[in-house]
Amino acid sequence: GNSVTQMEGPVTLSEEAFLTINCTYTATGYPSLFWYVQYPGEGLQLLLKATKADDKGSNKGFEATYRKETTSFHLEKGSVQVSDSAVYFCAFRGGGGNKLTFGTGTQLKVEL
Amino acid sequence: DGGITQSPKYLFRKEGQNVTLSCEQNLNHDAMYWYRQDPGQGLRLIYYSQIVNDFQKGDIAEGYSVSREKKESFPLTVTSAQKNPTAFYLCASSGTGEWQPQHFGDGTRLSIL
Repeated sequence: GNSVTQMEGPVTLSEEAFLTINCTYTATGYPSLFWYVQYPGEGLQLLLKATKADDKGSNKGFEATYRKETTSFHLEKGSVQVSDSAVYFCAFRGGGGNKLTFGTGTQLKVEL
Repeated sequence: DGGITQSPKYLFRKEGQNVTLSCEQNLNHDAMYWYRQDPGQGLRLIYYSQIVNDFQKGDIAEGYSVSREKKESFPLTVTSAQKNPTAFYLCASSGTGEWQPQHFGDGTRLSIL
């Protein structure tokens, strides 16, 4: 069945470190892929998206590339800040219908 | 500004009581969704609606009910049949089309007294 696998957290980094959060998916067809971010006590905010193979989504210094051959959508940022501390969710939408399939989330903690 | 409004932000329920969580959107989206989030877990879909007067069960619909009488509104009732209702509830909406992202409200945290 459809599923998303994310690396487990928490991920703890020092400010200005490089970030990678791995995400792989299992889906039929060609899903649209999303990264959402959740700050404490809030709802989810769309961070970036990609709708077809080799697309690169980017926003606020974060990037992710839709890799169909490896069914992956890894999130990267070259230099994290304390304000990036949050939970990050990988998700896809496709295979018919409007439902999103979410990963379990990866908590990121950035320290000075 | 367009967006999704969930209310209340915090809600307390007594044993055996039904409670209703409100979700309103002014984004003119056809589709609306309810998710449940438990600590350390991802989001689980409770119910969704793709059009007014129609809705479908998600993965964990037991103990919940919804209505969709207006395009803007998708209230969720947590019934007494839901034995473990303490959680963070998130409402979302989206346009149609698989490339359309879902937009989320700020959530309602439900606790049992």
